[in-house]
Amino acid sequence: AQSVTQPDIHITVSEGASLELRCNYSYGATPYLFWYVQSPGQGLQLLLKYFSGDTLVQGIKGFEAEFKRSQSSFNLRKPSVHWSDAAEYFCGKGAGYQKVTFGTGTKLQVIP
Amino acid sequence: DGGITQSPKYLFRKEGQNVTLSCEQNLNHDAMYWYRQDPGQGLRLIYYSQIVNDFQKGDIAEGYSVSREKKESFPLTVTSAQKNPTAFYLCASSWSVDNEQFFGPGTRLTVL
Repeated sequence: AQSVTQPDIHITVSEGASLELRCNYSYGATPYLFWYVQSPGQGLQLLLKYFSGDTLVQGIKGFEAEFKRSQSSFNLRKPSVHWSDAAEYFCGKGAGYQKVTFGTGTKLQVIP
Repeated sequence: DGGITQSPKYLFRKEGQNVTLSCEQNLNHDAMYWYRQDPGQGLRLIYYSQIVNDFQKGDIAEGYSVSREKKESFPLTVTSAQKNPTAFYLCASSWSVDNEQFFGPGTRLTVL
């Protein structure tokens, strides 16, 4: 069974600092990869997705992610974090008609 | 507007009562899902359906039941057999099981 690992349960960054959230997935068929954001008490919103092609993917809210096949990673980045980015972030992977599996999430705290 | 609706947003029930959570989508998606969220436990899959009149158990199906009589609707019943039903429930849909999922706003169920 495929798996997705988000090694960091909780991350704290200062407003204006850069951000990188890690996501590793189990090796398998060419993956479809996703990053979602969830604010407290809300549903999940898709930030970006990778299906094929350019390995650097741009998303909404100024986020980007890079697919690195050799490292089985799909890390999410943002050059300058805003207080409104405080939320929980989920990485997900689907592949070859296998249902999407999600990581356990990383909670981001932004301090002034 | 296309999207997924869940109702109600907050639901209170007495212990021992069955309760049904509604999920409707007008995205013409074939696949639908139910997840449960508890603090610090990420998304846990309860049931999913790839097509009308078919559904499969997820990781934590015990104490829950679903039906998929229409493409647009995937109601979840929390039965009295579910030992700890108080949680946040999320419904999602997608074109196929390996593709990006679109999430509803969630229903917070509290059993008193």
